[in-house]
Amino acid sequence: AQKVTQAQTEISVVEKEDVTLDCVYETRDTTYYLFWYKQPPSGELVFLIRRNSFDEQNEISGRYSWNFQKSTSSFNFTITASQVVDSAVYFCALSEAPRDDKIIFGKGTRLHILP
Amino acid sequence: EPEVTQTPSHQVTQMGQEVILRCVPISNHLYFYWYRQILGQKVEFLVSFYNNEISEKSEIFDDQFSVERPDGSNFTLKIRSTKLEDSAMYFCASGPRGADGYTFGSGTRLTVV
Repeated sequence: AQKVTQAQTEISVVEKEDVTLDCVYETRDTTYYLFWYKQPPSGELVFLIRRNSFDEQNEISGRYSWNFQKSTSSFNFTITASQVVDSAVYFCALSEAPRDDKIIFGKGTRLHILP
Repeated sequence: EPEVTQTPSHQVTQMGQEVILRCVPISNHLYFYWYRQILGQKVEFLVSFYNNEISEKSEIFDDQFSVERPDGSNFTLKIRSTKLEDSAMYFCASGPRGADGYTFGSGTRLTVV
């Protein structure tokens, strides 16, 4: 069965600090996608990244970076030099596409960046 | 950039009433989805729709819910006889093929009073 665990319910850091959001997933499939979404207070889901299971390369996009490790079934997300605008709920998610294309979300981590 | 459009952004309805949430998926997408997020909780899959029929539905998607693609552009979620616990944000999504290119709409916040 698919499962996504985000053990950190809420994190607070001071602006300019680095912060890592943890994500651990479970799947029996060898082919799957992992996602991160940001949900600001306005409520929409902002797509951040999709990674397929065959691509374990780490990714960097500006202040954001992702560390995918199949050996530990983890897909962690790091924000470098955090800013107040990064305050949001962040969801990690999994899809076992193409077999099953629904996206299973974790419970989310609420991130507070303090000025 | 193409986007999934949902209307209305916020709807208030009385318990027991029927509501229809509307979505306009991206025009060349073939797969359509509805998700629900109760306030403060995670986003949950409701139903997927492909080739004019439901391809998968969750346990949440019971007989109270139905989906329809009434024309070539709209994708609707109908909730019959709404209950207080149906209050949530409802997200529509579409994709060209499975999880590839998934795009979410900005959501409809449904409040049942």
